[in-house]
Amino acid sequence: GQQVMQIPQYQHVQEGEDFTTYCNSSTTLSNIQWYKQRPGGHPVFLIQLVKSGEVKKQKRLTFQFGEAKKNSSLHITATQTTDVGTYFCAGRSGNTGKLIFGQGTTLQVKP
Amino acid sequence: DGGITQSPKYLFRKEGQNVTLSCEQNLNHDAMYWYRQDPGQGLRLIYYSQIVNDFQKGDIAEGYSVSREKKESFPLTVTSAQKNPTAFYLCASSQTGSISYNEQFFGPGTRLTVL
Repeated sequence: GQQVMQIPQYQHVQEGEDFTTYCNSSTTLSNIQWYKQRPGGHPVFLIQLVKSGEVKKQKRLTFQFGEAKKNSSLHITATQTTDVGTYFCAGRSGNTGKLIFGQGTTLQVKP
Repeated sequence: DGGITQSPKYLFRKEGQNVTLSCEQNLNHDAMYWYRQDPGQGLRLIYYSQIVNDFQKGDIAEGYSVSREKKESFPLTVTSAQKNPTAFYLCASSQTGSISYNEQFFGPGTRLTVL
C-alpha cells in the first residue's frame, strides 16, 4: 500500500542552527500537508502544498513540494526553543479525505 | 468556542473489556477520523467517515468499531479483539470539498492504558 517515509526520526540542534526534515512517498500525491505536535499535545496544521514544485514560507519555516509530487521538505532557519516538537508530513493521493502520515521528526533545541 | 472534544483524557481498562472513546465536534465538518499514535510510528488511520451513516476502514481497523449516527459525533469502540490496545487515540475532523479536502483539526486525544 501507499507509504510515506519521513527522515530523520530525531534531530537535536543548538538554538540558532537550521533544521530540515524530509518526506518521501511511494506514490504520486495530490497534495501534502504538514503538522506540528508539541510534547504532550495534539497535531496542529501548518500548511498544505498542492502544486508541483511549490514553495511556501511562514516566517522562518520553508516548505517545498517536489516536481514529481512524491517528496516534500520542511526547513526551519535559526531554530528557537519554541520550535521544539514533532513535525509530521501527511500525503493524500486521489480525491479522498484519507491522509497517510509520515512517522514524524522530533526536534529538540538546546538553548 | 468551536473545536473537537475527546473524553476522557486518560482511560484505564482491564484486559478483555470493551471501551468506547468519545469524539464530538461543533465545527460543522462532514468528515471525521480516528488515529492511533504509538511512539516512533506517527499516526495510523483506524476508521474515517465522510458523511453521516457511512464510514470506511483505515489501515488498522481490526479490533475496532465506529458509528456515525450524528454529524457531530464519531465514537470509537476498542474491543477485546484488539491485541495491543494501549496507545494514544486522536480524533480529527475536516471539511470536504469538490477540489480537495482541507486541513484536519485534531482533538486533545485520549490515552488508553489496558492493564
